[in-house]
Amino acid sequence: EDKVVQSPLSLVVHEGDTVTLNCSYEVTNFRSLLWYKQEKKAPTFLFMLTSSGIEKKSGRLSSILDKKELFSILNITATQTGDSAVYLCAVALTTSGTYKYIFGTGTRLKVLA
Amino acid sequence: EPEVTQTPSHQVTQMGQEVILRCVPISNHLYFYWYRQILGQKVEFLVSFYNNEISEKSEIFDDQFSVERPDGSNFTLKIRSTKLEDSAMYFCASKVAAAQPQHFGDGTRLSIL
Repeated sequence: EDKVVQSPLSLVVHEGDTVTLNCSYEVTNFRSLLWYKQEKKAPTFLFMLTSSGIEKKSGRLSSILDKKELFSILNITATQTGDSAVYLCAVALTTSGTYKYIFGTGTRLKVLA
Repeated sequence: EPEVTQTPSHQVTQMGQEVILRCVPISNHLYFYWYRQILGQKVEFLVSFYNNEISEKSEIFDDQFSVERPDGSNFTLKIRSTKLEDSAMYFCASKVAAAQPQHFGDGTRLSIL
């Protein structure tokens, strides 16, 4: 059965801390791994990773994929209260030529002032 | 920036009634999805739609569910006879090409009484 597991489930840090969120997966026909940030409503797209070892970076956020060990990490440096959200990891896989997405349960991050 | 829009934002319905959730995907997108997220649980795939037909559906998407793209802009999810356990947030997502990331709408919160 295809599965995506995120850890930790929740995390409380203080502003300025660095956090690392983990996502491991076991799927057939892997295509890509995506990170989303979910605040009150829609998940908003952060990164899509398809190749191992290539870091994607956007401001204080960065992410990398390891296709051999089947995991990805999302790093947030110098955290701010606005980073408080649920961070979702999703894996895209293909079945019969079409894309399907499996989501993890998310990591709930709370950044305290 | 173009957005996926969903209406209504909140729908309250009596058990057994039919509901139609509406989505307007981003205009040049070709792939459309519905997901649901029960409160406190993970985002679950329901159905994907491309080229005017369902490409993939999950075991959740039973005979009570249907999708339609009645014109060039709307993408709807119909639940024929709602059950209490259909109460959830329903997200619509779209993407421009197969290997590109999905973009989500703000969701419709469906409450079944």
